[in-house]
This record gives sequence, structure tokens and C-alpha cells, in this order.
Amino acid sequence: QVQLVQSGAEVKKPGASVKVSCKASGYTFTSYGISWVRQAPGQGLEWMGWISAYNGNTNYAQKLQGRVTMTTDTSTSTAYMELRSLRSDDTAVYYCARGTIFGTSSRFDYWGQGTLVTVSS
Amino acid sequence: DIQMTQSPSSLSASVGDRVTITCQASQDISNYLNWYQQKPGKAPKLLIYDASNLETGVPSRFSGSGSGTDFTFTISSLQPEDIATYYCQQYDNLPPLYTFGQGTKLEIK
Repeated sequence: QVQLVQSGAEVKKPGASVKVSCKASGYTFTSYGISWVRQAPGQGLEWMGWISAYNGNTNYAQKLQGRVTMTTDTSTSTAYMELRSLRSDDTAVYYCARGTIFGTSSRFDYWGQGTLVTVSS
Repeated sequence: DIQMTQSPSSLSASVGDRVTITCQASQDISNYLNWYQQKPGKAPKLLIYDASNLETGVPSRFSGSGSGTDFTFTISSLQPEDIATYYCQQYDNLPPLYTFGQGTKLEIK
């Protein structure tokens, strides 16, 4: 069965960086993309960006350009999201999601369990 | 950027009620719209894709409709386990880009 298992909770100081991992299993990793979505406490869902596990192409949300980097390691079927220059408003649960694209159709059909990142001095 | 306006932001209904949530796009998005359910402390779950297609394993009381700029998500007969927050999501594939609506928190009356 398809599973996305994320790394554990992190506490970081403002200005630091965080790297969250998402290990995929149960499907051919390079046949799909991975998106990252975050959710601040009590708030809605915010899409952060996408990476193709096939060729490493990325597309980031404009507001995070320059602070976020998404990568994959196909040898371990793991996706990574690194966010730099952390601020208090980056405190959120971070989710990875498998992106299924068929022609013009696209959706997030499997999600990781979420990783809480807390930014506090 | 395409903006998604979801309404209402919260909704209280009784078990057995028909519940409707709407999502409006700031420009024509064809049928490039999905609906997700999120229960407290859990990851979102895909319910409807491409505006009206039911994801495998999702109960048939959930449905979606619409195209262009106006979309509707319906629960035909509300069940206690449907208590959650529901999100619409617009997408584009060239390059992949996604926008979520603000969410609708559904409660039992």
C-alpha cells in the first residue's frame, strides 16, 4: 500500500533552517511528483511547491521563492523540503503529498502524516 | 494568480441534512478543481477530483459539480463522521501550481 512517512517534529530558532523528509513506499517513486503543503495553527492549507521525482524539476510558491528548496533521493525514495531563514510565522505542520498527474488532471491522492515545525526563540 | 473563494467559512447542520459548499474561482479554471476533507489532527483526504469524480473508496453521499468559475460540493445526507473541514483546490499543470480555498468547517447542530 502507498505510504508517505515523514520525519519527526522540529524546534528551531528564528533565522535557522529546517529540513523535513518524506519517505515513500508502495509505488514507483519516480512515476509521480511530490508537493509540500503547510498549515499554520488554526489556519488553512498552503501549497508550498512541487518536485518531479522523475527529473527533479521544481515549481515553488512565489511567496517562498528563495527560501525553500525541494529535492529527492531516488535511491531511497525520499523527498526533502528545506526552509531557510525561519520566522515565527513559519510555525506550522508540514505535509508531503503524492501528486498524481494524468494528462490535464492532477490531485494529491496520498499524504504524509505531517511534521510539526516550531520556530521560537 | 487565481484566487479561490470558498463559502461558507463555517456551517452547522443536523444529521441527515443535505450540505452544500461552494467555491468560486477568479477566472475560468475548466474542471481543474479538487475537494479534500480534513479531520482534526489528521492529514487531508482526497474526496473529489476534476470537479465531479469520486475518489475510489469515498462514500457516494459525497459529490461535486461545476465548471468554469463556479463549483459545488455536496453531502447528500450528513453523517456524524463527516464532521471536518473541507477545502477546494484549484490546479494548473504547466507548471504544477495549486491553490486552496480558505476551508469550510462543518459542525453538527
